[in-house]
Amino acid sequence: ETGVTQTPRHLVMGMTNKKSLKCEQHLGHNAMYWYKQSAKKPLELMFVYSLEERVENNSVPSRFSPECPNSSHLFLHLHTLQPEDSALYLCASSQPTSGANVLTFGAGSRLTVL
Amino acid sequence: DAKTTQPPSMDCAEGRAANLPCNHSTISGNEYVYWYRQIHSQGPQYIIHGLKNNETNEMASLIITEDRKSSTLILPHATLRDTAVYYCIVRVGSGNTGKLIFGQGTTLQVKP
Repeated sequence: ETGVTQTPRHLVMGMTNKKSLKCEQHLGHNAMYWYKQSAKKPLELMFVYSLEERVENNSVPSRFSPECPNSSHLFLHLHTLQPEDSALYLCASSQPTSGANVLTFGAGSRLTVL
Repeated sequence: DAKTTQPPSMDCAEGRAANLPCNHSTISGNEYVYWYRQIHSQGPQYIIHGLKNNETNEMASLIITEDRKSSTLILPHATLRDTAVYYCIVRVGSGNTGKLIFGQGTTLQVKP
């Protein structure tokens, strides 16, 4: 248990479905992140939230919609996804400073789009 | 793009030290080097980070060259459970917008 909890751990959805991934951190951090990891590829940074404001959006398609209602919770809303969106979605949190920024990751949500 | 270069794979005998190299020749003076590892299909696990001085914790040691252009992660007594992908990362940006960009990493295979 890392202090970052992701649910669900596994999700199967059709291309017309709407679903959400949830992330909760119990570390008192003020920054949260979504990463995507496709098969045999490095992690890709999708979104960064700092103090509940989105500070990074790495050209992610609009079918992925993040939401950060407070500093402890982060959601990734999914709609009309494509099969190539099947991947491991990882949430992380941190307490950035002008120096070090150590991220703590959750276990991930494995998404399969049919 | 990732700012680091690592060998794609390495082998290590169980019980021996595993030395994982990383090049970060464009690192800036105030940027830290971070190491994470990822065991198959799990979330990345933080190992260690450093700026200039060598660092050691309960998991590993980090040796940073004096010019800071490269570093080595040392697992002193590798076990089979240390088989994983190891990522060396230099933060891109600073403050609350600084971000960690992962490269391909090094796949370490610890063999009996």
